[in-house]
Amino acid sequence: NAGVTQTPKFRVLKTGQSMTLLCAQDMNHEYMYWYRQDPGMGLRLIHYSVGEGTTAKGEVPDGYNVSRLKKQNFLLGLESAAPSQTSVYFCASDRGDSGANVLTFGAGSRLTVL
Amino acid sequence: GQNIDQPTEMTATEGAIVQINCTYQTSGFNGLFWYQQHAGEAPTFLSYNVLDGLEEKGRFSSFLSRSKGYSYLLLKELQMKDSASYLCAVEDSNYQLIWGAGTKLIIKP
Repeated sequence: NAGVTQTPKFRVLKTGQSMTLLCAQDMNHEYMYWYRQDPGMGLRLIHYSVGEGTTAKGEVPDGYNVSRLKKQNFLLGLESAAPSQTSVYFCASDRGDSGANVLTFGAGSRLTVL
Repeated sequence: GQNIDQPTEMTATEGAIVQINCTYQTSGFNGLFWYQQHAGEAPTFLSYNVLDGLEEKGRFSSFLSRSKGYSYLLLKELQMKDSASYLCAVEDSNYQLIWGAGTKLIIKP
């Protein structure tokens, strides 16, 4: 199984450009998440989804939008990129049922905004 | 506010034992996770504690004291491949994960 797949792995944008990060999971997980990881800081939750057709804001949602039209896919969009959005982005998923919800992460997408 | 504290960096010798501490202050507690993250890679799950005490899994063990807001990850018989960052995360009362900044562990021969 592929697990969680993110595309692209690397991207360089100019300020004001838009882009979409794609995340796909093949584990039939209900919950999906987008995190950003910056040096010296813990993972910060951007947006998450508890099921197909649902999305919710996390800790740092400003400047990002998401969509979950299909259960296996979770898209993260940047409408007008800013240098502050330079980061490594991780998609993750879990079963969403009771008990320890262990996250499975994608390999990450490194985004640089000039 | 919610806070997870762990040392920024630790150094240990191959074959030795190292303990990585994590203290937390969160709005409620529903479990504590440890993840391993090699440089340039995704975090991977190591352990989960929800009750006080020690959980052992091969060379790795994790301890939790809820009354002290404290956990540690113990790595025995260190190998060079254990060089990585170790992330502590607490699930709060809203089932949201709060992450520490991670501890970079450097293993020397």
